[in-house]
Amino acid sequence: ETGVTQSPTHLIKTRGQQVTLRCSSQSGHNTVSWYQQALGQGPQFIFQYYREEENGRGNFPPRFSGLQFPNYSSELNVNALELDDSALYLCASRNVSQETQYFGPGTRLLVL
Amino acid sequence: RKEVEQDPGPFNVPEGATVAFNCTYSNSASQSFFWYRQDCRKEPKLLMSVYSSGNEDGRFTAQLNRASQYISLLIRDSKLSDSATYLCVVTRYSTLTFGKGTMLLVSP
Repeated sequence: ETGVTQSPTHLIKTRGQQVTLRCSSQSGHNTVSWYQQALGQGPQFIFQYYREEENGRGNFPPRFSGLQFPNYSSELNVNALELDDSALYLCASRNVSQETQYFGPGTRLLVL
Repeated sequence: RKEVEQDPGPFNVPEGATVAFNCTYSNSASQSFFWYRQDCRKEPKLLMSVYSSGNEDGRFTAQLNRASQYISLLIRDSKLSDSATYLCVVTRYSTLTFGKGTMLLVSP
């Protein structure tokens, strides 16, 4: 196990709703990244947080936002859900001085 | 053009076979290279890093050709447990960019 946990494991929402996904990073890891993996695709980088600030973002609209807390845990918020937001959302943590990222088990989001 | 391209497969091989996966990347400024393995409905897990000098981990050998922007993974003596999707990953400023993955099915 990587020590990275995510909650909830599964979630069903309807179009237009908002969702918050949570991630607890591995002990000693101060950087958290979020990825979206649609069915049949590789994970796509959403954004990264370090020292409670966003310090990198992929090609995702502003309705995807996040937070990092002093204990390095993180949230991903998605507003105005669309059907295409249905995916596996993965969180990965690492120590900023190291390259290897460790993934959590993911949250499966279904938007109806 | 996608930043990381892989043959999606599936590759169907018998136990004991040798199988090779290839990957190309478009950004010459990519800094680090990895192969991840992803089992069905699970998270990706790091299989191995990839270096220009080539590296081996048991039955797995990975190779990087920076000039051609090409990455390979060779699996020898395939096991049933090797059945999974293999994701080629490049990084730039610690951001991982994944290919779509190549599915491997090893049969008895």
